[in-house]
Amino acid sequence: DQQVKQNSPSLSVQEGRISILNCDYTNSMFDYFLWYKKYPAEGPTFLISISSIKDKNEDGRFTVFLNKSAKHLSLHIVPSQPGDSAVYFCAARTYGQNFVFGPGTRLSVLP
Amino acid sequence: GAGVSQTPSNKVTEKGKYVELRCDPISGHTALYWYRQSLGQGPEFLIYFQGTGAADDSGLPNDRFFAVRPEGSVSTLKIQRTERGDSAVYLCASSLDGGNSPLHFGNGTRLTVT
Repeated sequence: DQQVKQNSPSLSVQEGRISILNCDYTNSMFDYFLWYKKYPAEGPTFLISISSIKDKNEDGRFTVFLNKSAKHLSLHIVPSQPGDSAVYFCAARTYGQNFVFGPGTRLSVLP
Repeated sequence: GAGVSQTPSNKVTEKGKYVELRCDPISGHTALYWYRQSLGQGPEFLIYFQGTGAADDSGLPNDRFFAVRPEGSVSTLKIQRTERGDSAVYLCASSLDGGNSPLHFGNGTRLTVT
């Protein structure tokens, strides 16, 4: 039973446009959410996080939105750059417990 | 500063053999996690240490898998009687305190069991 879902296995966007990656979760006890980026042969790299007391967090080109009632979060990247092409994972946790990861979405930013 | 270091980066072993995978976390990070990742999937939780003790080992698939962190820093994941299904990338991550601080991952150990 997947607690964290990323229903789009892949996404292609044009350079300069907005990329929107989506994530849904089922466990209402999750209170901390993160996005990671992964290049081949490297470990996941932390991008941005949000706690359940907020609905938005912004860091440069990256913004994460959290909709607790819908159990949904999204990552917006604007403007998208070719170097953003990677696999993106969302992750969630309940305080003091382990992090649960989604299956990932492969983002391709086309020049 | 130095990130999370994992050795070896690649390990090929024969079915039935014993392997040890090592993780050196970021200095000062009290929480350490082991995950494994198969192709096309997200990281799958194995075990989580807070200091020297295993806070949660519910992700270890069976008793062939064991992990230690004797001094609260370096950790070793040990797999006995390896099977072909154990082939995966084993990822280690550390976080500052296990609270609302992000995981920082190493580059993983790619284990291949032939």
